[in-house]
Amino acid sequence: EAGVTQFPSHSVIEKGQTVTLRCDPISGHDNLYWYRRVMGKEIKFLLHFVKESKQDESGMPNNRFLAERTGGTYSTLKVQPAELEDSGVYFCASSQGKGHISGNTIYFGEGSWLTVV
Amino acid sequence: KNQVEQSPQSLIILEGKNCTLQCNYTVSPFSNLRWYKQDTGRGPVSLTIMTFSENTKSNGRYTATLDADTKQSSLHITASQLSDSASYICVVSAGSWGKLQFGAGTQVVVTP
Repeated sequence: EAGVTQFPSHSVIEKGQTVTLRCDPISGHDNLYWYRRVMGKEIKFLLHFVKESKQDESGMPNNRFLAERTGGTYSTLKVQPAELEDSGVYFCASSQGKGHISGNTIYFGEGSWLTVV
Repeated sequence: KNQVEQSPQSLIILEGKNCTLQCNYTVSPFSNLRWYKQDTGRGPVSLTIMTFSENTKSNGRYTATLDADTKQSSLHITASQLSDSASYICVVSAGSWGKLQFGAGTQVVVTP
C-alpha cells in the first residue's frame, strides 16, 4: 500500500513567484494535515482537512497560503506570492480516524522542500 | 515558548550502548504523546503513541515512558544500532483534531 506521497520533493523559486505543493494521502484516510518546518524551528501545524472540509486552519501563516482538497482526495497547498521566510519543509500527513485519538497513527509524507531565493 | 521541550539537543553514542531522551510538555488539554523518528531528508515515522493512562509503551528496542502528573516523557533506546542515527521528535496531541505540538527533536548519532 502506498504511503503519503508529496510532489515536488524539492522546489527552488524566486521571491514573488507561485508554488503549488501536492499531497496524496493514504487511500481511505479522511483526515489530511499540512505541517511546516522552517530552518532551525520545530515542525508546526498549518491546517487539517476532514474529507474536503477545512476542520482547522488556525496554523496558516497568512493569506498568501491557500490549501484545497477538492473531492476529499488529494490536497494542494499554494503559496502566492512566495516570500523568503516561506522556505522550509512542508509535510503532509494523513490518518484514518481523528488524529488525537490514540491508536490513530498519523502517517507523514517525505516532505516538499521549498527554497525561496 | 514551545510547549514541548526536548533534551538533549543532540547526543553521540557508541554502537551497542543505551541512551535516554527526555521530553517535557506543558500542552493542555492533553490527549496523547507520540515519539517519532525522522531520518535525514525523510518524513517522521511513528514509534509509539501513549495516552494519559499509559505509563510505558515499547516498540522493539524503543521504550517510551510517560508521567502525566509531571508532564514528562522519555524514550529509551536499547543496544543502539547505526540505523538509529536520526532525529527523535516528541509530539503531543492537544484537545481535538490532531493538532499536534512538536518538540524540536533530539539528534542522535550512533558511531561504530
